[in-house]
Amino acid sequence: DTEVTQTPKHLVMGMTNKKSLKCEQHMGHRAMYWYKQKAKKPPELMFVYSYEKLSINESVPSRFSPECPNSSLLNLHLHALQPEDSALYLCASSQTGAYGYTFGSGTRLTVV
Amino acid sequence: AQSVSQHNHHVILSEAASLELGCNYSYGGTVNLFWYVQYPGQHLQLLLKYFSGDPLVKGIKGFEAEFIKSKFSFNLRKPSVQWSDTAEYFCAVNLWNTGFQKLVFGTGTRLLVSP
Repeated sequence: DTEVTQTPKHLVMGMTNKKSLKCEQHMGHRAMYWYKQKAKKPPELMFVYSYEKLSINESVPSRFSPECPNSSLLNLHLHALQPEDSALYLCASSQTGAYGYTFGSGTRLTVV
Repeated sequence: AQSVSQHNHHVILSEAASLELGCNYSYGGTVNLFWYVQYPGQHLQLLLKYFSGDPLVKGIKGFEAEFIKSKFSFNLRKPSVQWSDTAEYFCAVNLWNTGFQKLVFGTGTRLLVSP
């Protein structure tokens, strides 16, 4: 299995909702990442988990809450989002970044 | 500050034309370099990567890139583009730090190939 699987593929949520994005990989990769990609922009790093511990939080607002339950799973909990948070949220994993990162297809999030 | 620059934001070519997309990075430590492609409505795909060794790297779909350390550059090339190469191309740098690594993307180049 050489894939990163993200669910759901599309999500529409209201500003008062709580939802979660899920990411799963079974490649044995020890680092997992959340990126945010706005239209016509490059992906921007949000969080890095290394060996199931949060290594980087790129000054992301607290309405985004990551969780790494085990080495194969990564969640992103969403609460009280704003319309400007609408974007494609990408999950990635790597064994060591030097050899490359595997990206999922993303969750397209719309906040209404 | 650490950054990745792609100077060509939009490129329009006719089929069979040659392609070269520029990428420069500013980082003094160990770097690993990548080019990713994102076709319309699709996810990021790895085109090629430089880890070490031969600075001329060959990737998928006929793409290649040359790492020139003295110029901090990693330009992407293809001798003859096809309509199906229409996509967004991102240069990316893997940065090393204590305990973790992270991938930083350039601003992207939107390529349009006309038939």
